[in-house]
Amino acid sequence: NAGVMQNPRHLVRRRGQEARLRCSPMKGHSHVYWYRQLPEEGLKFMVYLQKENIIDESGMPKERFSAEFPKEGPSILRIQQVVRGDSAAYFCASSRDKANYGYTFGSGTRLTVV
Amino acid sequence: EDKVVQSPLSLVVHEGDTVTLNCSYEVTNFRSLLWYKQEKKAPTFLFMLTSSGIEKKSGRLSSILDKKELFSILNITATQTGDSAVYLCAVVSYGGATNKLIFGTGTLLAVQP
Repeated sequence: NAGVMQNPRHLVRRRGQEARLRCSPMKGHSHVYWYRQLPEEGLKFMVYLQKENIIDESGMPKERFSAEFPKEGPSILRIQQVVRGDSAAYFCASSRDKANYGYTFGSGTRLTVV
Repeated sequence: EDKVVQSPLSLVVHEGDTVTLNCSYEVTNFRSLLWYKQEKKAPTFLFMLTSSGIEKKSGRLSSILDKKELFSILNITATQTGDSAVYLCAVVSYGGATNKLIFGTGTLLAVQP
């Protein structure tokens, strides 16, 4: 039973390029959460999605960032026109239902913008 | 604004020592408090605490929640070098349709041989 799978593990982008981060939840999980961890900081909530719906995007920057969780396939976190300040570790977690708080995190994608 | 504060920020101990990590919070719509261990990659779940005064234990680790004083502690007894990690405290904010974790910045624990 595979855990939460994120890819790529490491991603390097030049300023102005687009970054696409993927997250496949655990089997049977339909709730996905994205968190960002900046250097020397704790994890910050970004967005909570269920299949085909964004439930809470209160932690998403207003511009350049978007997320989706289609009916088929992984959840995608998309960052357009990346800047150096986007360099961080991006973690995804999933749960079977909304009330399952002890959710499992993926290994993260470390984004470096050069 | 919701916040979770952990102390100390970092801690260096020797093997065999006992450590206590602290977490205080001010969060609306509090539901539960969670502890995670992070070793350079994914945070791994340790405990979830929902009720005050009930200690949770797993081997040498234990944790308890005080909902009146709004804090939790994580104890590690007889520390080992493998306990070296960042320990994260997170509070579940649950309201309406949403459900998210609010994390502290973590306590970096280094256990020396």
